[in-house]
Amino acid sequence: AQSVSQHNHHVILSEAASLELGCNYSYGGTVNLFWYVQYPGQHLQLLLKYFSGDPLVKGIKGFEAEFIKSKFSFNLRKPSVQWSDTAEYFCAVRTTSGTYKYIFGTGTRLKVLA
Amino acid sequence: SAVISQKPSRDICQRGTSLTIQCQVDSQVTMMFWYRQQPGQSLTLIATANQGSEATYESGFVIDKFPISRPNLTFSTLTVSNMSPEDSSIYLCSVDGWMNTEAFFGQGTRLTVV
Repeated sequence: AQSVSQHNHHVILSEAASLELGCNYSYGGTVNLFWYVQYPGQHLQLLLKYFSGDPLVKGIKGFEAEFIKSKFSFNLRKPSVQWSDTAEYFCAVRTTSGTYKYIFGTGTRLKVLA
Repeated sequence: SAVISQKPSRDICQRGTSLTIQCQVDSQVTMMFWYRQQPGQSLTLIATANQGSEATYESGFVIDKFPISRPNLTFSTLTVSNMSPEDSSIYLCSVDGWMNTEAFFGQGTRLTVV
């Protein structure tokens, strides 16, 4: 079955610490990959996306993610987090063949301590 | 990009009643999606709503419980029927730009059934 796994459910970091959130997906076909963020009280917003090309993609607010096809992974990274990065982060896969839809991971709640 | 407005933003309903959630998009879109986000869980796709055809429901969701209307290319409604406390959740409307764009989300409707 198609699925997206996020390994960390809750992460607590101090400001300036580095961040890496894991994401693995299970799907045999071609996919588009996304990281969304949901700040407290706000709607889901796109952080970054991968469709093709350079597997290292850069998004907003200093976030980046690397697509490793052989590992079916799309991990999110940020070298130095800020208090304002406190939010919930969702990895998502969009299937591009057969049934067209998004599959979301369970989300990671990040809390950054000032 | 697309701006999506959802109404109501939250509601508290009695069990056995129904609630209709409205989703308005500021541009014409072919595909609209309805998701449920239960407490502590990820987004689960309820159905895909295309204008001019019946909605396509995901496994575990049925039309009698979640009837959907899609009267035009900018508007859709989701009704949660005969509600029970298990229906307490956030319901999200989404549109997808397809090809090289990403999905956009409404602010969500936080439903509590008592």
